[in-house]
Amino acid sequence: DGGITQSPKYLFRKEGQNVTLSCEQNLNHDAMYWYRQDPGQGLRLIYYSQIVNDFQKGDIAEGYSVSREKKESFPLTVTSAQKNPTAFYLCASSSLAGNTDTQYFGPGTRLTVL
Amino acid sequence: GQSLEQPSEVTAVEGAIVQINCTYQTSGFYGLSWYQQHDGGAPTFLSYNALDGLEETGRFSSFLSRSDSYGYLLLQELQMKDSASYFCAVNAGNNRKLIWGLGTSLAVNP
Repeated sequence: DGGITQSPKYLFRKEGQNVTLSCEQNLNHDAMYWYRQDPGQGLRLIYYSQIVNDFQKGDIAEGYSVSREKKESFPLTVTSAQKNPTAFYLCASSSLAGNTDTQYFGPGTRLTVL
Repeated sequence: GQSLEQPSEVTAVEGAIVQINCTYQTSGFYGLSWYQQHDGGAPTFLSYNALDGLEETGRFSSFLSRSDSYGYLLLQELQMKDSASYFCAVNAGNNRKLIWGLGTSLAVNP
């Protein structure tokens, strides 16, 4: 089955610890995205990547880092510099071919910092 | 700045029709998309409009007027399972990055 996987589904960390969220896709999509969603809010873009070994900051990149060493993988690290990291994190991917902007989402990781 | 506006909440009854509006102010425009998100779940793609007019997909339709910077999602024959949040999103540039609205929470009552 083609799709996007994120792990883990729930993650608990102590304040001051870095944590890495996994995102893998087997859709052969070039572009991948990380969003943050807070309760009752929309999606805010953290980072995105359109090609291996290249990525761009989104609207709220401070306190986060990413890498794109493989086309299939786009892990997100939430660092201790992120002041309020508790949130629902969503990874998405899209094809750069064609004329639509459809993004396909993983199931999300709910991060709670204690 | 760039922004999308949509109502925060809409309530309807089973079997009814509901329209969720979205107005946008963006530096460019390549297309308007709609996504559905159930509580605790991930957004899923519903429809896309790049040109003016109505796109129909089963019980859901989406409309775009580029001259008015306006679109809407029309949900017909509402079912309880349609209770969810609905987001409009615009691609304002050629980099496929989307600008998202804050979402409309739809409650379908019996």
